[in-house]
Order: sequence, then structure tokens, then C-alpha cells
Amino acid sequence: NAGVTQTPKFQVLKTGQSMTLQCAQDMNHEYMSWYRQDPGMGLRLIHYSVGAGITDQGEVPNGYNVSRSTTEDFPLRLLSAAPSQTSVYFCASRPGQYNTEAFFGQGTRLTVV
Amino acid sequence: GENVEQHPSTLSVQEGDSAVIKCTYSDSASNYFPWYKQELGKGPQLIIDIRSNVGEKKDQRIAVTLNKTAKHFSLHITETQPEDSAVYFCAASTRAGGTSYGKLTFGQGTILTVHP
Repeated sequence: NAGVTQTPKFQVLKTGQSMTLQCAQDMNHEYMSWYRQDPGMGLRLIHYSVGAGITDQGEVPNGYNVSRSTTEDFPLRLLSAAPSQTSVYFCASRPGQYNTEAFFGQGTRLTVV
Repeated sequence: GENVEQHPSTLSVQEGDSAVIKCTYSDSASNYFPWYKQELGKGPQLIIDIRSNVGEKKDQRIAVTLNKTAKHFSLHITETQPEDSAVYFCAASTRAGGTSYGKLTFGQGTILTVHP
């Protein structure tokens, strides 16, 4: 079991560029989510999915898109990168929506210049 | 929605001392309170959790207490060791329906440093 795998680990983008952060899990978890981590602000939820074909917005969704075509994959797309999106991004999966442990990937450190 | 406040933001202790991190939450429907530890360059990892029908839970040197009336919960680490140095996050989740979907809301994090 690899758990939750995120790629890439590091990325530098120019303002206005687009890119996709990849997230895959091999635990057959229904629930997946994306967070961003900024100093002093903890982990803030961007988007989440309760199963294949179902996604919804979290706390800070603007500028990001997601899709969930399979149980395993949950990519996060930045449509037009802005310096405010400089952050560390974490993908997490959980076996169910309620009262279950979240398993996090190693993170993607994104810098937008 | 839920709001979780965590204090202190930084905590420095000597090896062998105890460390306490406190969190408050706003949504009385929250019923699951996990704590995560994040080591440098890694993703957060669950270390202990507590559900609302329990007031205290222990796992070796780590304990969590919950006061539902006051809506606060705390992480206690005894006999701290240098390897306890990390960022700790509290979180809260509700089983309420609608758009909540069991979302985890995290506190701001506490940087714990244990000096040898």
C-alpha cells in the first residue's frame, strides 16, 4: 500500500499559468479532499469529494477546480495561477465521511511568481 | 460553519516536561475531535482522537480531554522527548447532515519544540 500519493512535490509557476496537482490513493477510500496550508492559518479545505462523480466546494474554492472520475484519483486544477496561491497543498483520503481518520499525502509546495 | 481556535501558536519545553495545547470550537453539533502531528516535510498524521461521548482518552504519553459544555478540548503530552518536536493540529467534525458532509475543520497549528 502506497497510501496517498501526490505529485509533483515542488512546482514553480508563473502568474497566469495553469497546472494540475495529482492525487491518488490505493486504499479504496470514498472521501477525498484538498487542503492548503499557510503559516498561521492551519489547513483550509479547498474542495472535497464523497465518491466518484461527486464533488463540492470547501472553505477556499476560488481559483481551483476538481473532478472525481474514479475512486482512486482526485486531481486539483489551478486555472490561472496567482501569487496568492503560493502555498503547500495536501490531499487527504478517508474511508468514510464521518469520524474517520484522514490519511494525508506528502504535500506539494507550490510557488507562483 | 465550524470555527476552531488553537493556542498557543508556539510552545517550547524542556525534555521531560509536559506540554498542553488547547482548542475551542464553535459548532455544538461537532462530535469528533482528532489531533494530528506534522513532522517537517511530511503530511499530518493522526495521533489520537476523541468522540463526544467520551471525556478523556489516553494513549501512552498522550491524552486528550473534551469539555462539551465549554466546547473545548486539549492535548496533553507527558514526559516530552525531542522527537515530539513537530507541528500539532486539532480538528473538529460534525455528523450533521446537509452540506457538512463530516468535514474536518482544523485549528491554526502549534509548533512544539522540545529542548534536550
